[in-house]
Amino acid sequence: GQQLNQSPQSMFIQEGEDVSMNCTSSSIFNTWLWYKQDPGEGPVLLIALYKAGELTSNGRLTAQFGITRKDSFLNISASIPSDVGIYFCAAILTGTASKLTFGTGTRLQVTL
Amino acid sequence: GAVVSQHPSWVICKSGTSVKIECRSLDFQATTMFWYRQFPKQSLMLMATSNEGSKATYEQGVEKDKFLINHASLTLSTLTVTSAHPEDSSFYICSASRLAGNEQYFGPGTRLTVT
Repeated sequence: GQQLNQSPQSMFIQEGEDVSMNCTSSSIFNTWLWYKQDPGEGPVLLIALYKAGELTSNGRLTAQFGITRKDSFLNISASIPSDVGIYFCAAILTGTASKLTFGTGTRLQVTL
Repeated sequence: GAVVSQHPSWVICKSGTSVKIECRSLDFQATTMFWYRQFPKQSLMLMATSNEGSKATYEQGVEKDKFLINHASLTLSTLTVTSAHPEDSSFYICSASRLAGNEQYFGPGTRLTVT
């Protein structure tokens, strides 16, 4: 099935640095979601975006729903060691019974 | 909250046997539940969508007779892997959507190993 293109694939950063990752698609979506997955666990919802252009924050996390509805980005400010994990974007097309299309994932490693 | 549980968290079974995995929404009613499988270092791949009281809708390439899904109530869905083979070994994750909303809340996953 279709997947969203996520970049970067992985990144190593130092504690305290800001992180930016993005997700693009050739198709238009109506809802964008960002999840974090720790090893051996299910994904945890971080931020949900419902309107084109919407900018939403959740603590140190900020995400935006692209104006073209074909992309989204996630920023993490002042990273800490517990930010380590895999971040997935996901998107929903209205009328598809809330089926999620997932991104390929960004693996984040934070060094002290 | 929106808590989804899965049971068991891990299971080892012999080739040819069947395994049942439960998915429960603990503090909300879920009209729709989804089943995914995830291979190491890969993204989640949707297997099927299930609505309470109706037959599941399977994604292309997923054998419905091998992966039996039952959505008996608004808080419980089960996935049964029938006649399991080693290639069925994977991480199986369920998710649930509330009555009104698009967000999916995921369970902690079940690691299946078929020997």
